[in-house]
Amino acid sequence: SQTIHQWPATLVQPVGSPLSLECTVEGTSNPNLYWYRQAAGRGLQLLFYSVGIGQISSEVPQNLSASRPQDRQFILSSKKLLLSDSGFYLCAWSVTGGLQETQYFGPGTRLLVL
Amino acid sequence: QKEVEQNSGPLSVPEGAIASLNCTYSDRGSQSFFWYRQYSGKSPELIMSIYSNGDKEDGRFTAQLNKASQYVSLLIRDSQPSDSATYLCAAVASGGSYIPTFGRGTSLIVHP
Repeated sequence: SQTIHQWPATLVQPVGSPLSLECTVEGTSNPNLYWYRQAAGRGLQLLFYSVGIGQISSEVPQNLSASRPQDRQFILSSKKLLLSDSGFYLCAWSVTGGLQETQYFGPGTRLLVL
Repeated sequence: QKEVEQNSGPLSVPEGAIASLNCTYSDRGSQSFFWYRQYSGKSPELIMSIYSNGDKEDGRFTAQLNKASQYVSLLIRDSQPSDSATYLCAAVASGGSYIPTFGRGTSLIVHP
């Protein structure tokens, strides 16, 4: 069965510090991978998605970037965090499958920027 | 602009009652629809998917789809306090990249 891991689970960082969040998927090949952010009391905001190694699409212009160095690894980064980057970061995966393609979420990383 | 609208709630129902959660979507090209449950502080968990008009039942959950009215609903029978959570509706259009459009969720409170 497929599983998705995210780490760290919780992170407290000062403004201006760098960020690296990692997501890995097990039990499937060539997944589509996604990064979402959910601010307190807000909906899910799609940040990046990737359909393959090195292929990244950005949905929202911001100080964040994403990379996919391996098939089942997705990394979210920032060189300098802003207060507004605080939130719940969710990695998700899906496998291309027509109508029944379904997205599944990882456990998330809660980021607090102070 | 693709949109999925949900009443933010909270929807409060007594234990044992039927909870009815509703969702409308703007993109007529949407073909796949999903309901996720999100407990406070946790990530969304898939509950149901539905692709055809009509009802789809899974245990205490029933998803209903009406493409003509662009309306999706989730019924929870015999609601339990453990059902208290935020329920997210998502719609996906066929073709192109698989990018779900999520609603902002409806908060459900089941009180004993």
